[in-house]
Amino acid sequence: DAMVIQNPRYQVTQFGKPVTLSCSQTLNHNVMYWYQQKSSQAPKLLFHYYDKDFNNEADTPDNFQSRRPNTSFCFLDIRSPGLGDAAMYLCATSPGSQVDQPQHFGDGTRLSIL
Amino acid sequence: GQNIDQPTEMTATEGAIVQINCTYQTSGFNGLFWYQQHAGEAPTFLSYNVLDGLEEKGRFSSFLSRSKGYSYLLLKELQMKDSASYLCAASGSARQLTFGSGTQLTVLP
Repeated sequence: DAMVIQNPRYQVTQFGKPVTLSCSQTLNHNVMYWYQQKSSQAPKLLFHYYDKDFNNEADTPDNFQSRRPNTSFCFLDIRSPGLGDAAMYLCATSPGSQVDQPQHFGDGTRLSIL
Repeated sequence: GQNIDQPTEMTATEGAIVQINCTYQTSGFNGLFWYQQHAGEAPTFLSYNVLDGLEEKGRFSSFLSRSKGYSYLLLKELQMKDSASYLCAASGSARQLTFGSGTQLTVLP
């Protein structure tokens, strides 16, 4: 089945130690998104790629960066994780061409900071 | 700016009907999505409304009033597995989605 896959499901890192989260998709969608979701809060968009065009949200900290080496893969890099970065990180995709096309989410990576 | 409000929690009984409301104030509004999110899992798409009125999909229906900035999700014949968070999300463009904080629904036996 076509899907959005995030690895790993659970990630533990140390305070200040760089960490990379991965997302891959078999839907061949143009757009890939990264969201941060904390407990009982709305998913917060960090950035998205439309093809190779990177779009950063104005309030996304510089500590968060992303790479999209090809259509299928997208990475979230956290350069120096702080305790406040502990959250669920959701990757999503969409075709991006029409407003009625829903975003398809991966199962998320839950990040813990020690 | 974008602002979306929905109740934090709701409780209902198995077999009953529940209505989850959502109000929104967004610029460049195109349509309204509803997603279901079980604890520790990804949001899954439930419905999309772009025109005023009611869209029915089996046990789930969604309503939109663009002039009032208001939507609701109606769940009928509630089942235990419907216990989840329900997220309202406003679409501003083909790539812009703003989520509410979600309504945690608990279905009791």
